[in-house]
Amino acid sequence: AQSVTQLDSHVSVSEGTPVLLRCNYSSSYSPSLFWYVQHPNKGLQLLLKYTSAATLVKGINGFEAEFKKSETSFHLTKPSAHMSDAAEYFCVVSGGTSYGKLTFGQGTILTVHP
Amino acid sequence: DVKVTQSSRYLVKRTGEKVFLECVQDMDHENMFWYRQDPGLGLRLIYFSYDVKMKEKGDIPEGYSVSREKKERFSLILESASTNQTSMYLCASSHTFRADTQYFGPGTRLTVL
Repeated sequence: AQSVTQLDSHVSVSEGTPVLLRCNYSSSYSPSLFWYVQHPNKGLQLLLKYTSAATLVKGINGFEAEFKKSETSFHLTKPSAHMSDAAEYFCVVSGGTSYGKLTFGQGTILTVHP
Repeated sequence: DVKVTQSSRYLVKRTGEKVFLECVQDMDHENMFWYRQDPGLGLRLIYFSYDVKMKEKGDIPEGYSVSREKKERFSLILESASTNQTSMYLCASSHTFRADTQYFGPGTRLTVL
């Protein structure tokens, strides 16, 4: 069985300050981990993906995430927030099935203040 | 670019109606998925299909059925809509050899009155 916990339902930052969105996972297998972003009234977009290569994964729009097996964490960071980063972010785990079942976290809404 | 389209962005139906949500993908993907998205719950898998005419239950299949007669099209059916099925419905597809890299449609916001 696999599960994902996003530790914050809402995160609020000022433009230009760092972003940290926290995610812990549980998986019986060597997992693949993802971060997806959903802007208002838009579909889900893949930000980045970890698949057991480098533990620091770089994604689009300046985001990156670090896989820490000892802490079962996959936190998403960005050095400097932009107004366009305001969206809902989902941490996702996959593993153990041939059809690629994804298990989603509850989501974190990121608000960016001017 | 992979494109996944859904037949409606917004839909309003009455309790007891039969509802069809359609999803089409243009990348010849074997796998297709239906999720519902509710605030604070993330996305939950309703059904998926790994081939034409094949289907498997996801985590919350009750009250739903699906149909996949053609490879590019996957339909979600609410036989008798209820108010607790008011939600955002998202379709996704993926290739067998990169099964967990899923591409999502824009979603259908269904309201059942």
